[in-house]
Amino acid sequence: KAGVTQTPRYLIKTRGQQVTLSCSPISGHRSVSWYQQTPGQGLQFLFEYFSETQRNKGNFPGRFSGRQFSNSRSEMNVSTLELGDSALYLCASSPTSGVQTYEQYFGPGTRLTVT
Amino acid sequence: DQQVKQNSPSLSVQEGRISILNCDYTNSMFDYFLWYKKYPAEGPTFLISISSIKDKNEDGRFTVFLNKSAKHLSLHIVPSQPGDSAVYFCAASAVSGNTPLVFGKGTRLSVIA
Repeated sequence: KAGVTQTPRYLIKTRGQQVTLSCSPISGHRSVSWYQQTPGQGLQFLFEYFSETQRNKGNFPGRFSGRQFSNSRSEMNVSTLELGDSALYLCASSPTSGVQTYEQYFGPGTRLTVT
Repeated sequence: DQQVKQNSPSLSVQEGRISILNCDYTNSMFDYFLWYKKYPAEGPTFLISISSIKDKNEDGRFTVFLNKSAKHLSLHIVPSQPGDSAVYFCAASAVSGNTPLVFGKGTRLSVIA
């Protein structure tokens, strides 16, 4: 079974621009979560989507948004990029229900650098 | 306010010895705990979990202990191997409240041959 894939793997953007990151979950997984990893803050939860609906949202400004498509693929968008948005963005997918939802399978991440 | 804390940023252990990674939490609603391992340039990999109804869970060389009264959990790796060198993240959630995972900042384990 193919793992979680994220594209692109690396990205360099300029302050003020916007960016879209993509995540394809493991086949059959309907839950997709996004995390931001920085050296100082560790992994911080951005949002979770399940069956195209946002189920949970972390404490990030409205510049961060996401969506999920009917095939469970997900995208996240960051508008008006700031230097502090430079981070590794990780996507994780999980089976549909119960505590299995927390045994998430992570992709390799997208390294975003904002200059 | 950090709800999941891993107070040791790094740990160095000799091959064959026991590695003990610690994690503390503050939210008494947390009832499900997990450990993830992360190698450079890869996403975290689920390692082991424990529900609050248990105080111990084993999987091969990995054992997680939970002390609910102290709000503390630990991951024991016995025996430690060089391939265990990675960053280990502790995570917690209140399953009953359907809340997302809250991660600690990680502990970098180095197993020296």
